[in-house]
Amino acid sequence: QKEVEQDPGPLSVPEGAIVSLNCTYSNSAFQYFMWYRQYSRKGPELLMYTYSSGNKEDGRFTAQVDKSSKYISLFIRDSQPSDSATYLCAMTPEGDKLIFGTGTRLQVFP
Amino acid sequence: DTGVSQDPRHKITKRGQNVTFRCDPISEHNRLYWYRQTLGQGPEFLTYFQNEAQLEKSRLLSDRFSAERPKGSFSTLEIQRTEQGDSAMYLCASSSTHQPQHFGDGTRLSIL
Repeated sequence: QKEVEQDPGPLSVPEGAIVSLNCTYSNSAFQYFMWYRQYSRKGPELLMYTYSSGNKEDGRFTAQVDKSSKYISLFIRDSQPSDSATYLCAMTPEGDKLIFGTGTRLQVFP
Repeated sequence: DTGVSQDPRHKITKRGQNVTFRCDPISEHNRLYWYRQTLGQGPEFLTYFQNEAQLEKSRLLSDRFSAERPKGSFSTLEIQRTEQGDSAMYLCASSSTHQPQHFGDGTRLSIL
């Protein structure tokens, strides 16, 4: 079993929809949680960064961390075709090497 | 552009050849990381440096792989005697201590 599990998708939604992306993990030592967006043939781009539990909002993006359930989520409101990409969750216990999920491929159609 | 820079963007080589990749981190970042990503997978950690010191190496980093960061600035990753299984995207990231990592656009390695 992988330390971080993420549904690979693909997830296909219409423009304007609310998108929910999720990861589960097994290592209770994880303290730092991140979401990255990756376009084809590009490097991961940091979207959200959270330390410990709670919610964080930035524009159309909201990240949630539930350490008791070992579950993290990313919500995208008013999704746009430009949001079509692969979304990677990542986490680390001490702020150094990242453990990534496999990524969820999202397609937003007009 | 003040982001993480990687060179080359794409490297094609024959099996058995040696290759070297370069990463220039964001200038004020003291940490530099190397990851490998294959198709349909998330990046996997290879190694990282704090300043010029190499602090951790993954068991994925066989003895054919070596990384250096000689002056605590740019880093190089060398693969000797390349194999088909080395074909992947090699990603570099940098950060300040306990801050989020920022990635470059990677070097895509293709082994013929």
